[in-house]
Amino acid sequence: GENVEQHPSTLSVQEGDSAVIKCTYSDSASNYFPWYKQELGKRPQLIIDIRSNVGEKKDQRIAVTLNKTAKHFSLHITETQPEDSAVYFCAAGTHQGGKLIFGQGTELSVKP
Amino acid sequence: DTEVTQTPKHLVMGMTNKKSLKCEQHMGHRAMYWYKQKAKKPPELMFVYSYEKLSINESVPSRFSPECPNSSLLNLHLHALQPEDSALYLCASSRRAETNYGYTFGSGTRLTVV
Repeated sequence: GENVEQHPSTLSVQEGDSAVIKCTYSDSASNYFPWYKQELGKRPQLIIDIRSNVGEKKDQRIAVTLNKTAKHFSLHITETQPEDSAVYFCAAGTHQGGKLIFGQGTELSVKP
Repeated sequence: DTEVTQTPKHLVMGMTNKKSLKCEQHMGHRAMYWYKQKAKKPPELMFVYSYEKLSINESVPSRFSPECPNSSLLNLHLHALQPEDSALYLCASSRRAETNYGYTFGSGTRLTVV
């Protein structure tokens, strides 16, 4: 069935370092790949997304890359700051009715 | 208005109670969703409404009953819940179910079943 695997489950970096989170999806029909940041007790917030016709997208310190052949997409955060600490979820969606399949999440900790 | 509003923010209910969760958006989105999220886990899809019609039910127990009275409102009626149903219930909306554009989550209702 549909599945999204996300690694690592926890990630600790020093302030100013880069952080990379990787996801792999199983459904070749997936064509939409959002990333959400969820702080404790709050809603998942969309931070960046990419569609299957694009290989890379960047927004200030955040970038996402997509390799359709390998069914693999990654989130890159540069110059990390303590306020980047949160749980990050990747997800994959298709034209099949708006359903998003989420990865298991990565708990990112940025140490000052 | 670019928000999805959920009420109440917190709800404690007994196993014999009947309660409802409410979700509202005024972005003109025609797809609305209910997700359930347990602590430190990803959101899990429960229901999808597309143009006010139920299009996906992810085999959710009948003690959860969704309703979409109009294109801006989505309700989740709760009856005879179990303690394991305690979770954060998230509503989301997007422009259309087919495109995922503008997929936005509400702040959620934290439900505790006692």
